[in-house]
Amino acid sequence: KQEVTQIPAALSVPEGENLVLNCSFTDSAIYNLQWFRQDPGKGLTSLLLIQSSQREQTSGRLNASLDKSSGRSTLYIAASQPGDSATYLCAVNKGAQKLVFGQGTRLTINP
Amino acid sequence: NAGVTQTPKFRILKIGQSMTLQCTQDMNHNYMYWYRQDPGMGLKLIYYSVGAGITDKGEVPNGYNVSRSTTEDFPLRLELAAPSQTSVYFCASSQDPNYGYTFGSGTRLTVV
Repeated sequence: KQEVTQIPAALSVPEGENLVLNCSFTDSAIYNLQWFRQDPGKGLTSLLLIQSSQREQTSGRLNASLDKSSGRSTLYIAASQPGDSATYLCAVNKGAQKLVFGQGTRLTINP
Repeated sequence: NAGVTQTPKFRILKIGQSMTLQCTQDMNHNYMYWYRQDPGMGLKLIYYSVGAGITDKGEVPNGYNVSRSTTEDFPLRLELAAPSQTSVYFCASSQDPNYGYTFGSGTRLTVV
């Protein structure tokens, strides 16, 4: 059974720092991995999607990497801003309509 | 372009009551999904549909029913509400699951 774990559960850093969020998964047979942002009381916003054949994807200050063999993905946020405060979720697509989510990392950027 | 729209946004039910959570998308996506999110947890799949007239169970289907009579709509039915169904419910759709999903803003349901 695929399990997805995100560590840490919560992270608080001062504004301007670069930071890394971690996601690990137990079964390397995946189609892709997606990072989402969730603001309080809101839905999920897709940030980056990495196909199983890719190593990384970039969008603005965000960079996501994927290492299938070790079952790991990281989301790197450069020059963090208070507006980056949110919960970040990673989800692994195993095919057959199965998107398995981690529990999320609650990120707080302090001005 | 509205994307995925869920109604209502909030609802309080009494134990044993029934209700339907509405989900509609205007992107002509074939794939639609219902997830629930409990506090501090990731999302878990309740039901999904790969096209009009086709539905299937996900990881946690007990206590729920769905239908998919049109491409646009995918309502989720709770027949006998229980406190364990207190959660936030998200609907999602996709043109191709290999290329990502679009989520609605959620319905926060409390059963008392």
